[in-house]
Amino acid sequence: GDQVEQSPSALSLHEGTDSALRCNFTTTMRSVQWFRQNSRGSLISLFYLASGTKENGRLKSAFDSKERRYSTLHIRDAQLEDSGTYFCAAIIASSSFSKLVFGQGTSLSVVP
Amino acid sequence: GGIITQTPKFLIGQEGQKLTLKCQQNFNHDTMYWYRQDSGKGLRLIYYSITENDLQKGDLSEGYDASREKKSSFSLTVTSAQKNEMAVFLCASSFGQGGNTLYFGEGSRLIVV
Repeated sequence: GDQVEQSPSALSLHEGTDSALRCNFTTTMRSVQWFRQNSRGSLISLFYLASGTKENGRLKSAFDSKERRYSTLHIRDAQLEDSGTYFCAAIIASSSFSKLVFGQGTSLSVVP
Repeated sequence: GGIITQTPKFLIGQEGQKLTLKCQQNFNHDTMYWYRQDSGKGLRLIYYSITENDLQKGDLSEGYDASREKKSSFSLTVTSAQKNEMAVFLCASSFGQGGNTLYFGEGSRLIVV
């Protein structure tokens, strides 16, 4: 079954509002990465976390350090250019090779 | 900085045809990956390679071949294109043998007629 469950699958935000995306993992993960897919199709890495939280401008991500079973991406003061599809991907703690397992993505639309 | 270049951007072929996608990176990364992205779904790993001439199967390797001719290039071949294979194929690379940040190309869209 799916090891990375991303929610919501789609989200519409008004400019200036805040929201959070979430990834739940069905097993313990070693680390998590968040990506945004731009209009050209390329995935841009936003955060790489082995534990704790990281912040970059209006984006902040957290990875549950205790159970290692979920991660969140917070968007503050959403802007039109934040629109796109966001993916989380995680590495299974028990895997011999650090292979990323991807969620299905959250399609974010920021409207005026 | 570096860049990952995928060619072609669009690949149109007939059912049953053998089709090849190419990927070049100038990051000097060790590991390279090929992912497939179907509409509305996440990425699934087809093949990866941790060094020149190395090949490892991912979750979706059946129907595909790959080749890591040199450190900077990784190609993917669809051995017999099928209409249900129309998807976007994304190449990525990373330092070390996995576990580090992935950098992606812009994707190649496969169209089977």
